Amino acid sequence: DAKTTQPTSMDCAEGRAANLPCNHSTISGNEYVYWYRQIHSQGPQYIIHGLKNNETNEMASLIITEDRKSSTLILPHATLRDTAVYYCIVRVWAASGTYKYIFGTGTRLKVLA
Amino acid sequence: EAGVTQFPSHSVIEKGQTVTLRCDPISGHDNLYWYRRVMGKEIKFLLHFVKESKQDESGMPNNRFLAERTGGTYSTLKVQPAELEDSGVYFCASSVRLSLGQGIYDEQYFGPGTRLTVT
Repeated sequence: DAKTTQPTSMDCAEGRAANLPCNHSTISGNEYVYWYRQIHSQGPQYIIHGLKNNETNEMASLIITEDRKSSTLILPHATLRDTAVYYCIVRVWAASGTYKYIFGTGTRLKVLA
Repeated sequence: EAGVTQFPSHSVIEKGQTVTLRCDPISGHDNLYWYRRVMGKEIKFLLHFVKESKQDESGMPNNRFLAERTGGTYSTLKVQPAELEDSGVYFCASSVRLSLGQGIYDEQYFGPGTRLTVT
């Protein structure tokens, strides 16, 4: 299965952009990249996903390199409430004929006042 | 709309005992997933139900784990007998699989998890 690697932790100043990298060099052509985050004591929460093109929504932007071996999640103006663990996930097609998520170890982002 | 709920939030049991975790998915979500994170490791897939059928149980660690979803609504995950290495956080997620322009879109909604401690 595809594997993702992420930095263990990062700090970001409040109001600045937070750029969270993810390496997924073994990703296959039809496998999507998803990003979720987990705020303390809650379950992971969806942020954004993409296949090839860059994507943007109200929460974040996702930049995927042309070779699809890595991606960056961008929180344009980080706030204290963005402090969380961010998971880079590859959605793979399983032999059972369905999709499943392969989680990375996550990046603990701390937004500093 | 109520989110995915899990019960209990915490469970502490002794090695050899039995524990049953429950997950109530979002109403109308046919897909239900179980994941777990053991200490120091990443969140790992356990299994996937579509309605009451097990679609993929390739992540179940061994036959001490039994998942059911009778009637295609809530699901239970039973661990019997529990071992020390079963300690961790067990997450449930549900989704509605939609087919959109670029492919199948299946955002998963996660519950808050059950923290299981086996002593």
